[in-house]
Amino acid sequence: EDQVTQSPEALRLQEGESSSLNCSYTVSGLRGLFWYRQDPGKGPEFLFTLYSAGEEKEKERLKATLTKKESFLHITAPKPEDSATYLCAVQAYNNNDMRFGAGTRLTVKP
Amino acid sequence: EAGVTQFPSHSVIEKGQTVTLRCDPISGHDNLYWYRRVMGKEIKFLLHFVKESKQDESGMPNNRFLAERTGGTYSTLKVQPAELEDSGVYFCASSQEWSATEAFFGQGTRLTVV
Repeated sequence: EDQVTQSPEALRLQEGESSSLNCSYTVSGLRGLFWYRQDPGKGPEFLFTLYSAGEEKEKERLKATLTKKESFLHITAPKPEDSATYLCAVQAYNNNDMRFGAGTRLTVKP
Repeated sequence: EAGVTQFPSHSVIEKGQTVTLRCDPISGHDNLYWYRRVMGKEIKFLLHFVKESKQDESGMPNNRFLAERTGGTYSTLKVQPAELEDSGVYFCASSQEWSATEAFFGQGTRLTVV
C-alpha cells in the first residue's frame, strides 16, 4: 500500500535559520510527488510537483528535491510568513488520487 | 480568476441529520476531487469526477455518502444520515488534467456532528 511519512511533525525555527523537511514515501510506480502549503483555516496551496529522482524545483526561499525514496523541502533563511503546515503527497500510476502525509507544522519566530 | 469555492465554510448538525456540501470548481476544470481530513489524521481521498462521471469513488467511507456533479460543473456531497465520526474538514479540489498536475483546493467545509 502507498505510504507517505513526513518528519518532523513540528519544527520551530528562528528567522533566518535554514532547515529541511522530510517526506519519505513508498508507492507502486510514482507518477508525481507534490508539496503543498496549508495555512490555518485554508485549503492546501500548491507549491511543487516532482516527477523523477534527481529533479529539483525552487520557488523563492523553498527548494524541493526528490530521490527514489524521499523528498526534501529545503527552506533557506525563512521568514515568519513562511510559518504554515507543509504537506507532501504522492500519486501512483494506478491511482487517480493523491495520498497525503500528515504534514510538518513549521513555525518561524522573528 | 475565481478559485475553488466551497459552501458552507462551517456546518454543525445533529447526529442523524442530513448535510449537503457544495463545491464550485475553477471554470474549465474537468477534474474535481473530494478529500476529507478528520481530527489528527492526514487528508484522505474520497472520490474523483471527470466532468459529470465518477472516475473513482474508492475512498467513499460508506453508502451514507453521496456525491453528484450535475452537468459537469459544481458538485455536491451529501451525508445522510450523519454520524459523529463524519466530523472533519471536507476539501474539494479541481484540476485541468488528472495526471500528476497541480490541483487547486477550496478552503474546506468544517463539518461538526454532535
